[in-house]
Amino acid sequence: GDSVTQMEGPVTLSEEAFLTINCTYTATGYPSLFWYVQYPGEGLQLLLKATKADDKGSNKGFEATYRKETTSFHLEKGSVQVSDSAVYFCALRKSGGSNYKLTFGKGTLLTVNP
Amino acid sequence: ETGVTQSPTHLIKTRGQQVTLRCSSQSGHNTVSWYQQALGQGPQFIFQYYREEENGRGNFPPRFSGLQFPNYSSELNVNALELDDSALYLCASSYEQGRVNSPLHFGNGTRLTVT
Repeated sequence: GDSVTQMEGPVTLSEEAFLTINCTYTATGYPSLFWYVQYPGEGLQLLLKATKADDKGSNKGFEATYRKETTSFHLEKGSVQVSDSAVYFCALRKSGGSNYKLTFGKGTLLTVNP
Repeated sequence: ETGVTQSPTHLIKTRGQQVTLRCSSQSGHNTVSWYQQALGQGPQFIFQYYREEENGRGNFPPRFSGLQFPNYSSELNVNALELDDSALYLCASSYEQGRVNSPLHFGNGTRLTVT
């Protein structure tokens, strides 16, 4: 079945450091790929998405590129802030028909220190 | 635009009891799905409702059931609660029309503790 594998956390960085969180997937067909973020005590918020190969999703300084050849969707940010501290989830979703559900990775806890 | 709202925010139940969780979908959305997020894990798909009918289900037993109402709000019911049912239950709404589907918007969840 479909699956998403994220790098194990936790990840601890200093403010203004470069962030990479690795994500790879296994799926048949052509899924859409997502990064969601979960702040303490809250639900999931969509951070960015990409719907086809070579698409780049971006939002709030975060970027991820859909790489079909390596089945990857790594999250990057050039300069993290304390407010970026949260749990980040990579997810995939197929479009159309009955392929509606999101399949999530286990999440990566990011802590950014001042 | 009203987001997804869930109630209650926290709940404590005893093993063997039954529980009902509620969700109001975001304005303009016609589909609701439910996810279970155990501590330290990613959310797991429970089921999805579209036009008041379940149209997809994850690997959860029949004691997990749901409803969707004409206003697209939804309930998740869990019977015969077990300790492993302790988790954050997330509701998400979206707009689905044929092959068009919008991103899921999540509520803040209901934290269920089973003792």
